[in-house]
Amino acid sequence: AQSVAQPEDQVNVAEGNPLTVKCTYSVSGNPYLFWYVQYPNRGLQFLLKYITGDNLVKGSYGFEAEFNKSQTSFHLKKPSALVSDSALYFCAVRDPLTGGGNKLTFGTGTQLKVEL
Amino acid sequence: DSGVTQTPKHLITATGQRVTLRCSPRSGDLSVYWYQQSLDQGLQFLIQYYNGEERAKGNILERFSAQQFPDLHSELNLSSLELGDSALYFCASSVVQRGGTDTQYFGPGTRLTVL
Repeated sequence: AQSVAQPEDQVNVAEGNPLTVKCTYSVSGNPYLFWYVQYPNRGLQFLLKYITGDNLVKGSYGFEAEFNKSQTSFHLKKPSALVSDSALYFCAVRDPLTGGGNKLTFGTGTQLKVEL
Repeated sequence: DSGVTQTPKHLITATGQRVTLRCSPRSGDLSVYWYQQSLDQGLQFLIQYYNGEERAKGNILERFSAQQFPDLHSELNLSSLELGDSALYFCASSVVQRGGTDTQYFGPGTRLTVL
């Protein structure tokens, strides 16, 4: 079975500082990994995904994520945080070896708070 | 705006009632997914349809059912509602690609409150 863990319920960072939101996964084979962001009263917005290839994936709004197979991690990063980045971030995984569908399994979410 | 639309935005109903949530996928997307977001369960996959046929089932209760119509819009029917069904229900759509590498794009959700 596929699973995702986001060990931090909340991450606080000062504007202009780098941010990291952590994610670890568990799948049978090679994972497909995704990051989504949810602003209050809004749906989930796609940020980026890792399928194969370069371990550093660049996405929307200056975010990037690093896939680390040995540590089974896919941490979300941004070099310089903005107050407008404050939102709920979800990591998700799909195990391509799981037959019968393309469901995503989500982590519990990490609330990012960027302060002035 | 993801291009996925969901109606209604909010729904307030009583226990024991039945409701229907509607989703229109992005233009060209053949696959529709339903997810439930609640405080205690988090974001959970319910069901996937592809071009009108059920493709995968997750933690969907027997009181819940869904279908995808020929015009590709989908409806999620929730019956015999309980207080615990109160949640945010998301629809997502994607162009299913070989190997399952496609990205799911989510609608704004329907917030269901059961009183």
